[in-house]
Amino acid sequence: EAGVAQSPRYKIIEKRQSVAFWCNPISGHATLYWYQQILGQGPKLLIQFQNNGVVDDSQLPKDRFSAERLKGVDSTLKIQPAKLEDSAVYLCASSLFAFEQYFGPGTRLTVT
Amino acid sequence: AQSVTQLGSHVSVSEGALVLLRCNYSSSVPPYLFWYVQYPNQGLQLLLKYTSAATLVKGINGFEAEFKKSETSFHLTKPSAHMSDAAEYFCAVSVGYGGSQGNLIFGKGTKLSVKP
Repeated sequence: EAGVAQSPRYKIIEKRQSVAFWCNPISGHATLYWYQQILGQGPKLLIQFQNNGVVDDSQLPKDRFSAERLKGVDSTLKIQPAKLEDSAVYLCASSLFAFEQYFGPGTRLTVT
Repeated sequence: AQSVTQLGSHVSVSEGALVLLRCNYSSSVPPYLFWYVQYPNQGLQLLLKYTSAATLVKGINGFEAEFKKSETSFHLTKPSAHMSDAAEYFCAVSVGYGGSQGNLIFGKGTKLSVKP
């Protein structure tokens, strides 16, 4: 079975630019998560989708971050405009059951 | 609110030695607890999980963890370290109810080094 796919794997942008990340979850997984992992820290949940509806976005900086999951499958996370402190790895995960999340390889973002 | 504390950001062991990675949790409700492993430039992989069944949980690659409610701990162990175990390990706690069921709160991670 194919795993969670993410692209791009690496992205370098200047501050105040915009960037978008894409995630394709495991087929049939209704729940999709986006995490932010800053160097030296554990992942922090940004947003959780159930099908194409948002379940939890309490930690998403909504002034600059946005996410959508069209048709309940693929998802896109956008940052506009980016700040230096947004440099991190952005992980996407999906799950069929509540307590078994499968993670993608992540997108490493560097903001200069 | 739930939280996780991992003691030791870096642990070094010799090949064949016991691996012990410490995790303490704080939770106002019965917790669900997890250990994940992350290899360089890869996503996280679930090692094992505790979801209120047996307190001694066995996972992949020979790892196991014991849930101790009295000590609020969920330490990860492996009897004999292998070079391939070198990675970063994350302990996580989850809320087990409501719409956010399954959301994970991670510790800061422990990097395991294995010396030949």
